[in-house]
Amino acid sequence: DAKTTQPPSMDCAEGRAANLPCNHSTISGNEYVYWYRQIHSQGPQYIIHGLKNNETNEMASLIITEDRKSSTLILPHATLRDTAVYYCIVFTSGTYKYIFGTGTRLKVLA
Amino acid sequence: EAEVAQSPRYKITEKSQAVAFWCDPISGHATLYWYRQILGQGPELLVQFQDESVVDDSQLPKDRFSAERLKGVDSTLKIQPAELGDSAMYLCASSLSGTANTEAFFGQGTRLTVV
Repeated sequence: DAKTTQPPSMDCAEGRAANLPCNHSTISGNEYVYWYRQIHSQGPQYIIHGLKNNETNEMASLIITEDRKSSTLILPHATLRDTAVYYCIVFTSGTYKYIFGTGTRLKVLA
Repeated sequence: EAEVAQSPRYKITEKSQAVAFWCDPISGHATLYWYRQILGQGPELLVQFQDESVVDDSQLPKDRFSAERLKGVDSTLKIQPAELGDSAMYLCASSLSGTANTEAFFGQGTRLTVV
């Protein structure tokens, strides 16, 4: 199963863009990158996913490098409600399951 | 907006007692997952269903845990007997097909405390 590496914590000023990096150097060609976040005591919330092209939705943008070995989740204008643990996951082909790591704890500062 | 429903939200039980959690996935979702999340860690997959069949239960402690999804819709996760180390959040998730390009949606979880 492809593993991901994320920084354990990050701070971001309210109103600024939050850029959360993720390394997934062993990703296979048909494996997707997913991002979820978990606000304290709630279930994980789906944010975005992609294969090789950059993706954008109403919550965030996902930038995947050309070699697909890393990606960045961008929250364009972070608010205090974006304070959460963000998980980068490589969806495992073959077994079709989400393997969570320890994530990045993002704190948005007023 | 459709949601994954879980009950109860909170459960306190004594060790050696039996406890059960219920999950109702989003309508039409064929794939259902049960995860366990210990405080401060990421969720860990316990069992995965495709319709009524178990696809993966390699991380399920089968001596005390059981899971079923009899009609391929809602699901129950049971622990008997509960141990102190089972205290955790139990999360249910569902996805339309379980394939690589379909996202899973999580419920709010059941927080279990074993005393």
